Amino acid sequence: GNSVTQMEGPVTLSEEAFLTINCTYTATGYPSLFWYVQYPGEGLQLLLKATKADDKGSNKGFEATYRKETTSFHLEKGSVQVSDSAVYFCALILSGNTGKLIFGQGTTLQVKP
Amino acid sequence: DAGITQSPRHKVTETGTPVTLRCHQTENHRYMYWYRQDPGHGLRLIHYSYGVKDTDKGEVSDGYSVSRSKTEDFLLTLESATSSQTSVYFCAIQQGGTYEQYFGPGTRLTVT
Repeated sequence: GNSVTQMEGPVTLSEEAFLTINCTYTATGYPSLFWYVQYPGEGLQLLLKATKADDKGSNKGFEATYRKETTSFHLEKGSVQVSDSAVYFCALILSGNTGKLIFGQGTTLQVKP
Repeated sequence: DAGITQSPRHKVTETGTPVTLRCHQTENHRYMYWYRQDPGHGLRLIHYSYGVKDTDKGEVSDGYSVSRSKTEDFLLTLESATSSQTSVYFCAIQQGGTYEQYFGPGTRLTVT
């Protein structure tokens, strides 16, 4: 079946460190891929997306590249800030599938000053 | 801001009672979704709607029903709440022409 697997958290980093959160997927067909972020006590916000192989999504200093050969969509940021502390969700949608998002389990990021 | 509100934001109810959660949107989006969020599971789709009176089941629909009598409102009903339905419930809309979904602020439901 279709699924998304994220690295286990929590991830704890110092401010200005490099961030990688791994995400791999299993899908029948060619999905669109997303990263969502959830700040404490809030709903999910769309962070970035990529709709086809080799596309790079980027937003607010975060980047992720759609790698079809490794079925991955790892999230990266060169220098994290305390304000980036949140839960990050990787997700996929199959085209023509009435928008049923399939989420990974989420990865908690804690950035310390 | 996709103009999505959810009510109530917090609710505590007893096992066996009916509960209805409301999602309201102001931008006339066709597709609306209900998810639940539980630790270790991410978000899981309960039901979705692709138009007025057009709904379908998601991954975890048992024990839930939905209704959509107007474009702007999507209701989720727990006919007889159980402790396993203690969760945070999120409503979402899909931006027309894309697969981007935008979420409401959530409803925290506790069933005692």
